[in-house]
Amino acid sequence: AQRVTQPEKLLSVFKGAPVELKCNYSYSGSPELFWYVQYSRQRLQLLLRHISRESIKGFTADLNKGETSFHLKKPFAQEEDSAMYYCALRAPGTYKYIFGTGTRLKVLA
Amino acid sequence: DAGVIQSPRHEVTEMGQEVTLRCKPISGHDYLFWYRQTMMRGLELLIYFNNNVPIDDSGMPEDRFSAKMPNASFSTLKIQPSEPRDSAVYFCASSLRGAGTNEQYFGPGTRLTVT
Repeated sequence: AQRVTQPEKLLSVFKGAPVELKCNYSYSGSPELFWYVQYSRQRLQLLLRHISRESIKGFTADLNKGETSFHLKKPFAQEEDSAMYYCALRAPGTYKYIFGTGTRLKVLA
Repeated sequence: DAGVIQSPRHEVTEMGQEVTLRCKPISGHDYLFWYRQTMMRGLELLIYFNNNVPIDDSGMPEDRFSAKMPNASFSTLKIQPSEPRDSAVYFCASSLRGAGTNEQYFGPGTRLTVT
């Protein structure tokens, strides 16, 4: 079954510490992976996608097909990174998205 | 562009009542999605449309849920009859095929409380 797993509901780190939000997926094929973010009182928005291989707001995510993971990383957390983060998968050839349960990141001063 | 518009923003209703949630996608977008967000299950895709046609409704939980898209600028999600377990935030999103990132643009959500 297609599934996205985010094992941590809440992750608290201190400002300046490294951050890693975990995402594992289950899919027999080559899906497209995304990270979406929802800041307080803002809309859910795209943060990055694996195809782009880009860094957005200091965040990067590498697709590891062997481990079926797409962890989100940032070397130095900032207070404004506090938000809800969702990992999502899109099956090729469709527009069906499967989201994880989300991880709330709290960056402490 | 105001982005995806949803109404109402908040809805409180009693069990057994009919609830209708509304969505206006971004003009020109050809895909429309309805999601439900809960603490336990996160964000779940309920149904999505392409050019006003439902493509996949496998996420619709029960026959009590129905969705329509009568034209390119309007969609509804109806729950009849509503139950307390339907309490959640319902999001609508739209996207444009071939727009590079395949990014979905989300609305602000409708917070539904069924008592």
